[in-house]
Amino acid sequence: NAGVTQTPKFRVLKTGQSMTLLCAQDMNHEYMYWYRQDPGMGLRLIHYSVGEGTTAKGEVPDGYNVSRLKKQNFLLGLESAAPSQTSVYFCASSRGTGGGTNEKLFFGSGTQLSVL
Amino acid sequence: GNSVTQMEGPVTLSEEAFLTINCTYTATGYPSLFWYVQYPGEGLQLLLKATKADDKGSNKGFEATYRKETTSFHLEKGSVQVSDSAVYFCALTIPGASGSARQLTFGSGTQLTVLP
Repeated sequence: NAGVTQTPKFRVLKTGQSMTLLCAQDMNHEYMYWYRQDPGMGLRLIHYSVGEGTTAKGEVPDGYNVSRLKKQNFLLGLESAAPSQTSVYFCASSRGTGGGTNEKLFFGSGTQLSVL
Repeated sequence: GNSVTQMEGPVTLSEEAFLTINCTYTATGYPSLFWYVQYPGEGLQLLLKATKADDKGSNKGFEATYRKETTSFHLEKGSVQVSDSAVYFCALTIPGASGSARQLTFGSGTQLTVLP
């Protein structure tokens, strides 16, 4: 049972570099999410997707782009990394909306990103 | 907007001690409430949930009661174990909302360490 898989697990970037985080889920879930986790601030939603080919902005979308070309994959891109984007990034998926009373989110194990 | 406030940690207890982690919320609608748990090196997992006032969610010996009058959803366990050491997140969603407002809003998390 792979569930939600994130790659890479760790990455160090220099300011201005670009990178893409990959999230893959094998549960045929419609909804996928990208969160960032910062000390003392909990998890904040960056972008989410309600189905293949769709994306939507969350609470903190600036500086990030996403794509959902295939149902099982949700990519998070940083075009020009900044030190403020140093964080732990979590991908999640759910069968329906994560806000629904009968749904729950399944999380990946996270990506630790440092921007120097 | 919606927000979740958790008691600051870290919380350190001895095995078999009683646990309470406070969680209060503000919401513009009628929220559903959740507790998620994050074990070291892993993503978050749903621990329990409650979808309406006076509901009690329970799982693995943990309980939380949805108190509308005090806008609270405190997590309790009668006898903690070393294996309960983790970070606990309170979260809410507004099922009747639309867009990103319907997605989960997390508290900042509370680190629990249980000593043998």
